[in-house]
Amino acid sequence: QVQLQESGLGLVKPSETLSLICKVSGYSVTNGYLWGWIRQPPGKGLEWIASLDPGWRTHYNPSLKSRVTMSVDTSKNQFSLSLTSVTAADTAVYYCARLAHDVRGSETFFYHFDYWGLGALVTVSS
Amino acid sequence: QSALTQPASVSGSPGQSITISCTGTSSDVGTYDLVSWYQQYPGKAPKLIIFEVSKRPSGVSYRFSGSKSGNTASLTISGLQAEDEADYYCCSHEGRPTVLFGGGTRLTVL
Repeated sequence: QVQLQESGLGLVKPSETLSLICKVSGYSVTNGYLWGWIRQPPGKGLEWIASLDPGWRTHYNPSLKSRVTMSVDTSKNQFSLSLTSVTAADTAVYYCARLAHDVRGSETFFYHFDYWGLGALVTVSS
Repeated sequence: QSALTQPASVSGSPGQSITISCTGTSSDVGTYDLVSWYQQYPGKAPKLIIFEVSKRPSGVSYRFSGSKSGNTASLTISGLQAEDEADYYCCSHEGRPTVLFGGGTRLTVL
C-alpha cells in the first residue's frame, strides 16, 4: 500500500523559509511516477505547487517558481519542498502526492494525483 | 495561470442526480483528456474519484461519472446519498506543463 507522510515545522516566521519533507512508504520514488506538492489555504481551494519527474526534472507553478525548490533523497525514499520569503498568504495545509504521468517525445503530461498524504498545516506568523 | 471555474455550491435531495461543471480553456480542458476529480471531506485529504475525464479508480462507486464537452468537464453523482456531502475539485493538465485545479464545489445533500 502506497503511503505518504508530510513532516516539517508547523510555524514559520514571515520572510523565512518553509521546509517540508514527504516520506514515501510502500513504493519507491525512483519507480516511474512523478511526485508533487499541493497546498490549501484555510477555507480555500487546492493549488498545485510543484512536481518532480523520474529524471529529477522539476516543474513549478509559474506564480511560485521564483520561491520554490523541490528535491528528492532516493536513499531515504523521500522528497522535499522549500518555499522562501514566506508571508501570511503562504499559510496552508501542504499535501504531498503521487502523480501519474506520461512522456511523449519531449513533452510531459500530468495525469492525476492518485495517492495523497494526510497534509501538514504550516502557519506563517511572527 | 487561472484556476478552472466551478460553481461554489450545488445541492440535491437523496436519490437525485447532480452535476458539477468545470470550465477551462482550449489550453487545458479543451485540448487534453486529462481531467480528474477529487472528493474532500472537511479536515481530510482529497481522494481521487475520476481520472482521464471518465475513468473510475477501483473502489469508487459507479454513481460517480465524468464527461467532457469542449472546454467544460462535468462530474455527475447519481442516486445522491448523505455520504456524498463533501467538497469536489476538478483538475486538468495544462500545456506548459502545469496542473490547474478548480476553485471547488461544496455539495449539500438536503
